[in-house]
Amino acid sequence: GAGVSQSPSNKVTEKGKDVELRCDPISGHTALYWYRQRLGQGLEFLIYFQGNSAPDKSGLPSDRFSAERTGESVSTLTIQRTQQEDSAVYLCASSLPGQANNYGYTFGSGTRLTVV
Amino acid sequence: AQSVTQLDSHVSVSEGTPVLLRCNYSSSYSPSLFWYVQHPNKGLQLLLKYTSAATLVKGINGFEAEFKKSETSFHLTKPSAHMSDAAEYFCVVTSGTYKYIFGTGTRLKVLA
Repeated sequence: GAGVSQSPSNKVTEKGKDVELRCDPISGHTALYWYRQRLGQGLEFLIYFQGNSAPDKSGLPSDRFSAERTGESVSTLTIQRTQQEDSAVYLCASSLPGQANNYGYTFGSGTRLTVV
Repeated sequence: AQSVTQLDSHVSVSEGTPVLLRCNYSSSYSPSLFWYVQHPNKGLQLLLKYTSAATLVKGINGFEAEFKKSETSFHLTKPSAHMSDAAEYFCVVTSGTYKYIFGTGTRLKVLA
């Protein structure tokens, strides 16, 4: 597509429920990234995909968080048993392989997750 | 290890006056540096980037930044603020990898 698309744009969920966040990257961008932005803080790296593999999952905060990617395209970030501290904006970005350093990422508009 | 510090969490300027958003970085390697802007309820947009070419980098919407290795700084400037510049600005450092290290952001307010 023309840009990075994320859905839903807003999600309110009850504590303890599972949520799935979706990212549709730019066509041809084999590199995909998830970041989290908590209120008043910078973005925290969560996970990096190259193709369908995730060589770096070091930013996932707990085993309640998981992500997958299929067809070198859509990625889903799943948070199980949500907690209030999971409330944040979850941002997805994509780039051409090996080009993040030179050309920057393209970000989606994010999913604002609120856990009540 | 890399880190980035944005020295001001909030900056207010009057429309038509200069903008200065300050960023200092720490990196063990030759860094790439970026500035991104985030308007309310919008994604982050790349303003400009430094990747070891010219130290004075020009970006979109009249913004520019100068890489100063001796000062480990990459401050963002604009000669004349416009109301549409009101947004949050993030300084980013990366060193040859895919992983970005973000500053905590500077919220720019432009007064009429």
